[in-house]
Formats: sequence, structure tokens, C-alpha cells
Amino acid sequence: AQKITQTQPGMFVQEKEAVTLDCTYDTSDPSYGLFWYKQPSSGEMIFLIYQGSYDQQNATEGRYSLNFQKARKSANLVISASQLGDSAMYFCAMRGNFGNEKLTFGTGTRLTIIP
Amino acid sequence: GAGVSQSPSNKVTEKGKDVELRCDPISGHTALYWYRQSLGQGLEFLIYFQGNSAPDKSGLPSDRFSAERTGGSVSTLTIQRTQQEDSAVYLCASSSYDSDQPQHFGDGTRLSIL
Repeated sequence: AQKITQTQPGMFVQEKEAVTLDCTYDTSDPSYGLFWYKQPSSGEMIFLIYQGSYDQQNATEGRYSLNFQKARKSANLVISASQLGDSAMYFCAMRGNFGNEKLTFGTGTRLTIIP
Repeated sequence: GAGVSQSPSNKVTEKGKDVELRCDPISGHTALYWYRQSLGQGLEFLIYFQGNSAPDKSGLPSDRFSAERTGGSVSTLTIQRTQQEDSAVYLCASSSYDSDQPQHFGDGTRLSIL
């Protein structure tokens, strides 16, 4: 079984500051992938970034980077230079081995950027 | 190109009625997923289709729920004899065969059972 834990129900961050959203995971699969999605108040789920369990380098996509620490089973999302449009729910998710590609989601973190 | 399309966007129905929710995946995506998002349960996996393989139905909450995917493309999720606890947003996602690729989500169907 897979489990994703997001321990921050809500966060408030000043505009232009960096923010780290925490995610820890548990799985028995030898190979897995970790995803972050953003869900604005409008409801759509927007893919942000992906990290494979065998990737040697941390993933980066523009202002988003994933701090992957495999031994600690953590996959924290870092948003640099936050903007007002970053205010949303953020979900960490995991897929398992080949044949087990369904996503298991965490409970999410509601991020609010303060002007 | 076009994203994942879901219809209807909103559905209000009376308890006990049957409902059908439709998902049109991104062209060329072989994998299709249904999830449910509700206040009490968060985001839950329901069912997964991959090509011509037998679907993974392990997330369906009861035998009132079923889904099919015709011609490897459009999928329909059917809920029979709806109950109030079925009220939720039903999200469909699709992805290419490579499991390292992200799942792309539709805007969802908001289902309200009166």
C-alpha cells in the first residue's frame, strides 16, 4: 500500500518569498514516481512537477523545484519568488510500479500568498 | 491541443436515480483514470483503464459504481441508485503509456444528490 502525508493544512507566505511545501511518502514498490499538482479555486488540477525514484537529480520546472530525499522518503515542493497567482491547494501524489499507475494523493496544503 | 473533456460539468439529481458521467481523454492517451474528490475523503482513486487490458476496479466503493471505455477512447462512469454520500466532484484523467508522464485532468463533474 502507498501513503502520502502532507502535514501542513495551510500556509501563509509573503509575496516574492520562497515557500516549501512538505510531502512524505511510504511505499513498498521498488520503483515509483512522485507528482505535485496545483488546484486553484476554479477546481482544475494542474500538473507542476515530476520526480522518478531512480532520478539522480532533483526535478526543476521554472519556479518549481522538488527537494527529493529518498532515504528520508520526502519530496518537498519549493516555489521560488512566490506570486499572488500561486494561491491554491497543492497536492502531492505518488504512483507505484509498472501496472500500478494509479495516483495516491495527500490531503493537500492550502497556500495563500499575501501581497 | 484539446485537453481532457468531461460532461456534464454539473449534475443535480434525486436520491435513487442513476447517473452517467462522461470523459473524453486527450487524443492518443492510452491510460484513463477516474477519481473522486469529496470534503470528507479527499482525492480517491476509482478505476483505471490501460489499453486493452482488464481495468483496475479496485477503487470502486460499491457495486453501484461501474465504468466502461469504448473503443479505447471515451469512458462513461455510471452510478446506480445514487445515495447522498455519492455527492462529490468526479475527476477524469488521462496519460500516455509511459508511466513517467503526468496524468492530465479534466475540469470534473460536480455531482449533487438531493
